Amino acid sequence: DVKVTQSSRYLVKRTGEKVFLECVQDMDHENMFWYRQDPGLGLRLIYFSYDVKMKEKGDIPEGYSVSREKKERFSLILESASTNQTSMYLCASSTSTGGISYEQYFGPGTRLTVT
Amino acid sequence: GQSLEQPSEVTAVEGAIVQINCTYQTSGFYGLSWYQQHDGGAPTFLSYNALDGLEETGRFSSFLSRSDSYGYLLLQELQMKDSASYFCAVMGGGGGNKLTFGTGTQLKVEL
Repeated sequence: DVKVTQSSRYLVKRTGEKVFLECVQDMDHENMFWYRQDPGLGLRLIYFSYDVKMKEKGDIPEGYSVSREKKERFSLILESASTNQTSMYLCASSTSTGGISYEQYFGPGTRLTVT
Repeated sequence: GQSLEQPSEVTAVEGAIVQINCTYQTSGFYGLSWYQQHDGGAPTFLSYNALDGLEETGRFSSFLSRSDSYGYLLLQELQMKDSASYFCAVMGGGGGNKLTFGTGTQLKVEL
């Protein structure tokens, strides 16, 4: 059973703080993704990674950075948190073995509040 | 870039059939996927279509017409537990098996 875990379920941070969101998957997946989910806007891709130390910008990368030092771990970093980054953050992973994979496996999400 | 449109809300009664439509615009196309998300839960994969036609998985079916840039999710014999949000997602160009998601359709199943 694929498992994607995220370091916190709920997080409250102050404006200007540096915030780290951690994601770990246990299925040896090549691809990992960070999304944010806001009401009425669906899931929007922030960054993704298709290999260790590789990263690609998604649709809304501004204000975020990522790190992938090990295959199983993908971290999202908010360099200086702002109130407009209050959101649900979802991590996902998928495999590239065998070619295209339409199935992404999601973690439970981290609800971040920036005050 | 990619963009998708789907209705924001659909209501149906238990036992009925409901269809959730999705139209998309994309540069490059590899397939259309569908995900289900219950309140407070994580999205879970339901189905995908890479080629035109209907794919059936139990009570759920998904359809794709590449020429019309259109697909739908069909849910039959609706149950209360089907109340959830449903997202279509397109895999376009750009590599990394990247998906672009629609804004989601909230399905309410009533008695």
